[in-house]
Amino acid sequence: GEDVEQSLFLSVREGDSSVINCTYTDSSSTYLYWYKQEPGAGLQLLTYIFSNMDMKQDQRLTVLLNKKDKHLSLRIADTQTGDSAIYFCAENTAYSGAGSYQLTFGKGTKLSVIP
Amino acid sequence: SQTIHQWPATLVQPVGSPLSLECTVEGTSNPNLYWYRQAAGRGLQLLFYSVGIGQISSEVPQNLSASRPQDRQFILSSKKLLLSDSGFYLCAWSDETGANYGYTFGSGTRLTVV
Repeated sequence: GEDVEQSLFLSVREGDSSVINCTYTDSSSTYLYWYKQEPGAGLQLLTYIFSNMDMKQDQRLTVLLNKKDKHLSLRIADTQTGDSAIYFCAENTAYSGAGSYQLTFGKGTKLSVIP
Repeated sequence: SQTIHQWPATLVQPVGSPLSLECTVEGTSNPNLYWYRQAAGRGLQLLFYSVGIGQISSEVPQNLSASRPQDRQFILSSKKLLLSDSGFYLCAWSDETGANYGYTFGSGTRLTVV
């Protein structure tokens, strides 16, 4: 089956770095994504990485991709209380053989930031 | 720019009553549209997706149905709600190629069946 795996919980102290890990299954995925969901809200695309990249940095966010191990991580530097949310990893997987893709999501990692 | 609207934001319905949730997208044409359900604030379950008007694919057989009467309108319905239909429902769209640039989600509808 196609499963994207994430740990369910992560707790960090304010000011520390957070690292959220994810393993995916489809080696042909062209893009991998990180979404953030704040309580009671929809999912917001945080960042994505193209499969031919190893790393992408965007301000406090660093995405690392290890294609060999199918491992994706999101590092948040200087974690703030406003970063408390659920973070979803997702991969795009082909469907129907028509050159189209769908996103397959992990179950989400709940990040709690302790003041 | 593209926007996605989903309503209502919250809904409390008795068991056995009908349901209609609506989602519309602006600023794009021929989007792929999706309905997800999120139970207990965690994992996402894909319920339906649509690649065009009148084209609906169901991922999970259940008490719900979906329709796409117009290019940028996606409706989630039920004739008789069950307690187990409670959850957070999310609509999303992507470009017609699928998901190369990710999905954009609506703000969600919190449905409580009592």
